Amino acid sequence: GAGVSQSPRYKVTKRGQDVALRCDPISGHVSLYWYRQALGQGPEFLTYFNYEAQQDKSGLPNDRFSAERPEGSISTLTIQRTEQRDSAMYRCASSPMGEEQFFGPGTRLTVL
Amino acid sequence: GENVEQHPSTLSVQEGDSAVIKCTYSDSASNYFPWYKQELGKRPQLIIDIRSNVGEKKDQRIAVTLNKTAKHFSLHITETQPEDSAVYFCAATPGSGYSTLTFGKGTMLLVSP
Repeated sequence: GAGVSQSPRYKVTKRGQDVALRCDPISGHVSLYWYRQALGQGPEFLTYFNYEAQQDKSGLPNDRFSAERPEGSISTLTIQRTEQRDSAMYRCASSPMGEEQFFGPGTRLTVL
Repeated sequence: GENVEQHPSTLSVQEGDSAVIKCTYSDSASNYFPWYKQELGKRPQLIIDIRSNVGEKKDQRIAVTLNKTAKHFSLHITETQPEDSAVYFCAATPGSGYSTLTFGKGTMLLVSP
């Protein structure tokens, strides 16, 4: 079956612009996670959802970052007023119900 | 919160040798410990995991051991092959019903033919 997909795969934006990153989880997976991965580092937790409910957003760096999953399937991570320090690989993962998480290909964000 | 330490940061072995990567965690409530393999430019892939009610789990050439008392767990790869070359990440859940993962910083494994 289809794995986790993310779009766009690459995003280049200018400082100050807003960006929206999309995650399409594996069909039927209850849990959806957002991570940020710096080069050479492990993924760092941002936020996660069970169904449409955001369970934990403690990893979001500041209030410019937000996420939603309105229908319990596709999720969008939005970064407002982007800054150069936001440049990173943003990864989404989904899970049937916690524990085993399957990652998407990521969105490489570059803020100029 | 949970803190996961991983060692070594790089590991070079000859093909056919064994490789061991070790991780420690801080939260005694953590109960799920997966290992991911990430090849260059690819997504992390789950290769094996272990839960706190089990001390060891094996899947062909890879095995994971868990010592809850000492709060450490290890990945063992036997008969290494060049295609095992990748970055390996350990992770732990912070426990308390949460399923988010805290990752180690990764180990770059290089298997030379």
